[in-house]
Amino acid sequence: AQSVTQLDSQVPVFEEAPVELRCNYSSSVSVYLFWYVQYPNQGLQLLLKYLSGSTLVKGINGFEAEFNKSQTSFHLRKPSVHISDTAEYFCAVSEPKTGFQKLVFGTGTRLLVSP
Amino acid sequence: DVKVTQSSRYLVKRTGEKVFLECVQDMDHENMFWYRQDPGLGLRLIYFSYDVKMKEKGDIPEGYSVSREKKERFSLILESASTNQTSMYLCASSLAAGGNNEQFFGPGTRLTVL
Repeated sequence: AQSVTQLDSQVPVFEEAPVELRCNYSSSVSVYLFWYVQYPNQGLQLLLKYLSGSTLVKGINGFEAEFNKSQTSFHLRKPSVHISDTAEYFCAVSEPKTGFQKLVFGTGTRLLVSP
Repeated sequence: DVKVTQSSRYLVKRTGEKVFLECVQDMDHENMFWYRQDPGLGLRLIYFSYDVKMKEKGDIPEGYSVSREKKERFSLILESASTNQTSMYLCASSLAAGGNNEQFFGPGTRLTVL
């Protein structure tokens, strides 16, 4: 069975500093990987996704993530954060099979950006 | 612009009431999902549906039921609300075959059961 681990429940950082949010997954097969962001009192919005090909994936709002198969990781990075990046971030995994597939989510990492 | 809408952003109900949460998507997606979100627990899947009138239990179906009479609409029903069902409820949809399992989410309904 697939699972996702987000090691940090909360990450405080100062504005304009770099940030990395960690995500590790377990799966015996190839995977699709996703990062979603949830701003306060809103639903989830897709930041970026890895399906195949280049292991470095660029998303919206200056975020990027790198798929590392040997370490089963998909860490999210941003070189310089803004106050507006304060949100909760969820990593998710699914299997690329045809037909119906669920997403398995991590427990989330709350990014707190302060001036 | 693709959209998933939920009938209420905030809802307050009393213990024992029957509660209906409605979700509508305009993307002609086959799959629809109901999650609940609680601090420290992330998103937990309650029920999902891959076709009209079809439903499958997720990880935490107890105390809930669902209905999908039309492709675009997926309802979550709390037969007899209890205080431990106070939570944020999120609806999502996705394509079936040919998709990449990306799910599109509604804004959520924050339910309080008193």
